[in-house]
Amino acid sequence: DIQMTQSPSSLSASVGDRVTITCRATQSISSYLNWYQQQPGGAPKLLVYAASSLQSGVPSRFSGSGSGTDFTLTISSLQPEDFATYYCQQGYSTPSFGPGTKVDIK
Amino acid sequence: QVQLVQSGAEVKKPGASVKVSCKASGYTFTAYYIHWVRQAPGQGLEWIGCINPNSGGTKYAQKFQGRVTMTRDTSIRAAYMELSRLRSDDTAVYYCTRESTTMATNWFDPWGQGTLVTVSS
Repeated sequence: DIQMTQSPSSLSASVGDRVTITCRATQSISSYLNWYQQQPGGAPKLLVYAASSLQSGVPSRFSGSGSGTDFTLTISSLQPEDFATYYCQQGYSTPSFGPGTKVDIK
Repeated sequence: QVQLVQSGAEVKKPGASVKVSCKASGYTFTAYYIHWVRQAPGQGLEWIGCINPNSGGTKYAQKFQGRVTMTRDTSIRAAYMELSRLRSDDTAVYYCTRESTTMATNWFDPWGQGTLVTVSS
């Protein structure tokens, strides 16, 4: 099975900051990598699919990049509604998720 | 709009079974796989398995083999996930989600609102 790791596990940031979250797979997954945002008490919400394609309706401050084993999610200018937990997920084989990165207010 | 609506919270005793439903609307139910994912309190997301609503074919995570059964009823556009021999560590929010695919990728969207299953004596 493909294992996913994320770093950092948590970070504190201020409104307006640029934030980058990294996701790594234990083997190449091509571009079968998706990013989700989860607010406390809510269901996950798709942000980015196929490593770099922005889901319809998602603000352009979110972007994804990478292929193979290393991927990043970037928030160019953090907004109050972006404080949440972010998960990566691979769909190359049996689906698996990263452990999550919690973004909270500095 | 595409929507998945799940059944309400459940409280079960250890050793019992629970069956969670997921009703789809806004799209052709038989055209997209439904996956089930769970999240224990304060923990991450864990894939349980999936069902092809067209054929009824299923695939389960090895961890749940023998304890989980996924079914569907196309007449009412519903998918079901039944977990048996419940233990306290099965306490979690259970989500259904629709898989979309292209030639080169796949993703989960949308997600149901989640169903809290509490296992307690």
